[in-house]
Amino acid sequence: KQEVTQIPAALSVPEGENLVLNCSFTDSAIYNLQWFRQDPGKGLTSLLLIQSSQREQTSGRLNASLDKSSGRSTLYIAASQPGDSATYLCAVIETGANNLFFGTGTRLTVIP
Amino acid sequence: DGGITQSPKYLFRKEGQNVTLSCEQNLNHDAMYWYRQDPGQGLRLIYYSQIVNDFQKGDIAEGYSVSREKKESFPLTVTSAQKNPTAFYLCASATGGYEQYFGPGTRLTVT
Repeated sequence: KQEVTQIPAALSVPEGENLVLNCSFTDSAIYNLQWFRQDPGKGLTSLLLIQSSQREQTSGRLNASLDKSSGRSTLYIAASQPGDSATYLCAVIETGANNLFFGTGTRLTVIP
Repeated sequence: DGGITQSPKYLFRKEGQNVTLSCEQNLNHDAMYWYRQDPGQGLRLIYYSQIVNDFQKGDIAEGYSVSREKKESFPLTVTSAQKNPTAFYLCASATGGYEQYFGPGTRLTVT
């Protein structure tokens, strides 16, 4: 069964720093990978979706990469801001499957 | 203004009572999903529906039931058979490319 791991579980950085969040998955037969943000007590907000044929996607200060062969994805956040503080979740959907497999998330704190 | 709504935001019930959580979307998505989130754990799939009048069990369907009578609506009933129902429940819908969009969630507390 697909397993998705996110390391570290928590990360604190000073404002303005560039940072990378990691996501790994065990089965490379994925259809796509999606990064989400979750604020405390709230639902998930979709940040970026990478199709299996793509290597990366960018949105503003966010850049997500995908390496299917190694089972890894990274989310790069440039010039971090206190408003970026949240839990970041990655999820994969397998080819032919109908649901997402989620990691447990990385809780990011950006210190002013 | 398109999106997914869940109601209520907070729900309190006594043990032994069934309770129904609402999920509505106006995104014209065919697929809808229910997840459960517990502290320190990833989201776990309860039920999903790819089309009206059809739905499938997810990983933790025991003690839950759903219906999909309309494309826009996918209510979840937490029955008294669910042994540990207190959790944060999230509803999602998905495009044809399986990009998922989530509602704001319902926090259920059963005492």
